[in-house]
Amino acid sequence: KQEVTQIPAALSVPEGENLVLNCSFTDSAIYNLQWFRQDPGKGLTSLLLIQSSQREQTSGRLNASLDKSSGRSTLYIAASQPGDSATYLCAVNRDDKIIFGKGTRLHILP
Amino acid sequence: DTGVSQDPRHKITKRGQNVTFRCDPISEHNRLYWYRQTLGQGPEFLTYFQNEAQLEKSRLLSDRFSAERPKGSFSTLEIQRTEQGDSAMYLCASSPLGGKNIQYFGAGTRLSVL
Repeated sequence: KQEVTQIPAALSVPEGENLVLNCSFTDSAIYNLQWFRQDPGKGLTSLLLIQSSQREQTSGRLNASLDKSSGRSTLYIAASQPGDSATYLCAVNRDDKIIFGKGTRLHILP
Repeated sequence: DTGVSQDPRHKITKRGQNVTFRCDPISEHNRLYWYRQTLGQGPEFLTYFQNEAQLEKSRLLSDRFSAERPKGSFSTLEIQRTEQGDSAMYLCASSPLGGKNIQYFGAGTRLSVL
C-alpha cells in the first residue's frame, strides 16, 4: 500500500531564507509526483508536477526534485516571502488515483 | 476552459439531513474523481468515474455515500443521514483519458455538520 510522508509537519522561517520541504513514498511505481499549495479553507493549487521519467521541475522560486528509486522528493523554495505561508502537499499518482501526504504547514515570519 | 467547478462552496447542515454536491469537470475530460479532506489531513480518494462508469470506490465510501455521473459530464455526490464525522472538504478533480494522468482540482465544497 502506497504511503506518503511529509517532514516536517510544520515549519517557521524568517522571510528571505531558503527552505526545503521533504516528501517520501513507499512504492516507487508511480506515474508522477505533484506538489500542491493549499491556503486555509481553500482548495488545491498545483505548483509543480514531475513525471516518473523526470528528475526535477522548476517554476520561479520553486524547484522540485524526484528520486524515484529511493522514494523521495524535495520542494526547494528560494528567498521565502510572507505570501508563501500555506500548507504544502506532496502527492503521488498511481493506478489512477492520487495519494497525498498530510502536508507541511509553512509560516514565513516577516 | 473554466476549470473544475464545484457547487456549493460551503454547506452547513444538521445531523441526519441529506446533502448533495455537484462537480462540473473540465469539458471533454473523461475521468472525474472525488476526494475528502478532514482537518489537518491530506485529501483521501473516495471514487472515480470514466465517462458515466464508476470504476473504483474506496472503503471510505460508506453506504450512506453515493456518487453519480449520469451523462458522463457533471457528477453529484450525495451523503444521506449526515453525521458530524462527515464534516470535511470534498474535492473534485478531472483528467483527460490517456495523457499524463494529470488531475485538475476544483476549489472544493466545505461541509459542516452540526
